Amino acid sequence: SSELTQDPAVSVALGQTVRITCQGDSLRSYYASWYQQKPGQAPVLVIYGKNNRPSGIPDRFSGSSSGNTASLTITGAQAEDEADYYCNSRDSSGNLWVFGGGTKLTVL
Amino acid sequence: QLQLQESGPGLVKPSETLSLTCTVSGGSISSSSYYWGWIRQPPGKGLEWIGSIYYSGSTYYNPSLKSRVTISVDTSKNQFSLKLSSVTAADTAVYYCAGERELLWAVWGQGTMVTVSS
Repeated sequence: SSELTQDPAVSVALGQTVRITCQGDSLRSYYASWYQQKPGQAPVLVIYGKNNRPSGIPDRFSGSSSGNTASLTITGAQAEDEADYYCNSRDSSGNLWVFGGGTKLTVL
Repeated sequence: QLQLQESGPGLVKPSETLSLTCTVSGGSISSSSYYWGWIRQPPGKGLEWIGSIYYSGSTYYNPSLKSRVTISVDTSKNQFSLKLSSVTAADTAVYYCAGERELLWAVWGQGTMVTVSS
């Protein structure tokens, strides 16, 4: 399968912890990378590899993976974390790229 | 710091060819570390990978678009380009160029909106 599946929407109370998941067969072979996108802006990489954050990404963002599921966890969600989040990986063949459908995170 | 900038027409007529160029600055497009790609996002929808190219010219395309897509690179201008033929309203989207390395999209352009309409 070349698909990555995400829940369309998730909400979290301010300061609480939220997990956003991504499922797909390719995740058994490849780590997911996670991108945050705010309205009118280009996506920004927040997590890649096993659990790596680019410079400038707060340490409240973390990643994990098990079997065919990758997860992005935000520990102590802030208002500025409200955004769309996309997972991404190579497909099972290793030659092509696939994105998840995106999860809209609302911080209450 | 590597920066990417998309350019091209914002309006394309149905059945015509969409053409966009991405200019790479702050580094060489011939870097062996990067693949260069195009990703699009229809209004209100998710991201879709269109295809990628290496500076040597090797290309990989999304199978759903492969018959209509050509991505090329011009190392002398530090640019790579996208051509999408026979466009319809379904091709209306923000088009991003991006640089891929080590299994992640490390750098993105700001995106350019392309509308397909007569």
